[in-house]
Amino acid sequence: EAGVAQSPRYKIIEKRQSVAFWCNPISGHATLYWYQQILGQGPKLLIQFQNNGVVDDSQLPKDRFSAERLKGVDSTLKIQPAKLEDSAVYLCASSPRLAGDLTDTQYFGPGTRLTVL
Amino acid sequence: AQSVAQPEDQVNVAEGNPLTVKCTYSVSGNPYLFWYVQYPNRGLQFLLKYITGDNLVKGSYGFEAEFNKSQTSFHLKKPSALVSDSALYFCAVSPSNARQLTFGSGTQLTVLP
Repeated sequence: EAGVAQSPRYKIIEKRQSVAFWCNPISGHATLYWYQQILGQGPKLLIQFQNNGVVDDSQLPKDRFSAERLKGVDSTLKIQPAKLEDSAVYLCASSPRLAGDLTDTQYFGPGTRLTVL
Repeated sequence: AQSVAQPEDQVNVAEGNPLTVKCTYSVSGNPYLFWYVQYPNRGLQFLLKYITGDNLVKGSYGFEAEFNKSQTSFHLKKPSALVSDSALYFCAVSPSNARQLTFGSGTQLTVLP
């Protein structure tokens, strides 16, 4: 079974520029997550989708971050404009069951490492 | 709100020796507990989880963890460490009635040959 795919793997931008990340979850997985992992910290959930609907975006900085999962499959996360403190690894994960079923295992992609100069 | 503490940033162990990576948690109600491992330039990989039942949970690659409710701990263990076990380990927790995982800050495990 193919894993969670993410692109690009690395991105370097200057502050105030825009950037977008793409994620393709494991086929058939209903729930998709975006996490932010700052160096030296554990992943922090940004947003959680069930199919094409948002379940939880309480920790998403909505003034600059946006995400969508229009057809309930792949997803994009955008930052506009970027700040220095956005430098981090952005991880996408998916799980087969419905959102909120935390007995379910999350499967992570390799991440996108963003550097904001 | 839930929280996870991994008190050791770094753990060093000799190959063949037993290893322990510590995790304590704070959560309202019954916890769901997870261990993930992260290798360089790769995403997190699931190792094991405790949902309910037997306090000793066995997972991938010979790892196991013991849920201790009175001490609110979920330490990761392996009887005999391998050099290839060297990686960053994350503990995560969620209350059974919540939607999201909270991760600890991670413990870098180095197994010395």
